[in-house]
Amino acid sequence: GAGVSQTPSNKVTEKGKYVELRCDPISGHTALYWYRQSLGQGPEFLIYFQGTGAADDSGLPNDRFFAVRPEGSVSTLKIQRTERGDSAVYLCASSQAGGAVDTQYFGPGTRLTVL
Amino acid sequence: GDSVTQMEGPVTLSEEAFLTINCTYTATGYPSLFWYVQYPGEGLQLLLKATKADDKGSNKGFEATYRKETTSFHLEKGSVQVSDSAVYFCALSDGGFKTIFGAGTRLFVKA
Repeated sequence: GAGVSQTPSNKVTEKGKYVELRCDPISGHTALYWYRQSLGQGPEFLIYFQGTGAADDSGLPNDRFFAVRPEGSVSTLKIQRTERGDSAVYLCASSQAGGAVDTQYFGPGTRLTVL
Repeated sequence: GDSVTQMEGPVTLSEEAFLTINCTYTATGYPSLFWYVQYPGEGLQLLLKATKADDKGSNKGFEATYRKETTSFHLEKGSVQVSDSAVYFCALSDGGFKTIFGAGTRLFVKA
C-alpha cells in the first residue's frame, strides 16, 4: 500500500518568504508527526497531531512555524518569514493510533533551502 | 531533559565483521527505546524496539537489549553485509508522543 508521501521533495526559497510543506499520511492513521532534521543530526520533534488537533506542539521553535491538519488526514507545515537557519529536511511520520510504542512510518522528507 | 547519545561515525567494517553501535540515554522516567535505520535514498524506518528493562529487540539479525542499570541500548549484529550500509539512529520515547533521536551513526560495510 501507499506509504507516507511529502511534497515538494525539494524547496528553495529566499529569506523572508513564506513556505508550505505538505504531508499525506498512510490512510487510516490518526497520529501524525512533524520533525526537522539538520545536516548530520537526528530528527528533532516539532509537533504531533491526534486527528485534527495538535496534541503536542512543544517542539515548534517559534511563532513563525505553524501546522494544520483540518480534516484529520493531510497536514501542512507553514513557515513564515523564512530564515537561513530554517534550512533542513522536514520529515513527516504517521502511526495508527499514536503513543510511545506505536510504530511511526516516515515519509521521504522535504529538503528546504533558504537562500 | 531527556537525551540520547550514540557513538560517532562513520563506522567502517568489512563484510561478516561484528557490529556494535553504542547508545546511552538520559531520561527521568522509564522510556521506550528504539533503533531506526535510514538506507541510502530511503526514508527513516523502525529497525527494532524495546519497551521495558531487560527486553531485547531484534530484527534482520540486529539486536539490542534495554539495560536500565547502565542506561544503554547498544545495537549489535554478528555478521554485517554490504546491504547493511546505512545511517542508524538510537531514539527514546518518554511515554508521551515525543520521540527523541540521537545524532545518528553512519555505517559503511566493504565487500
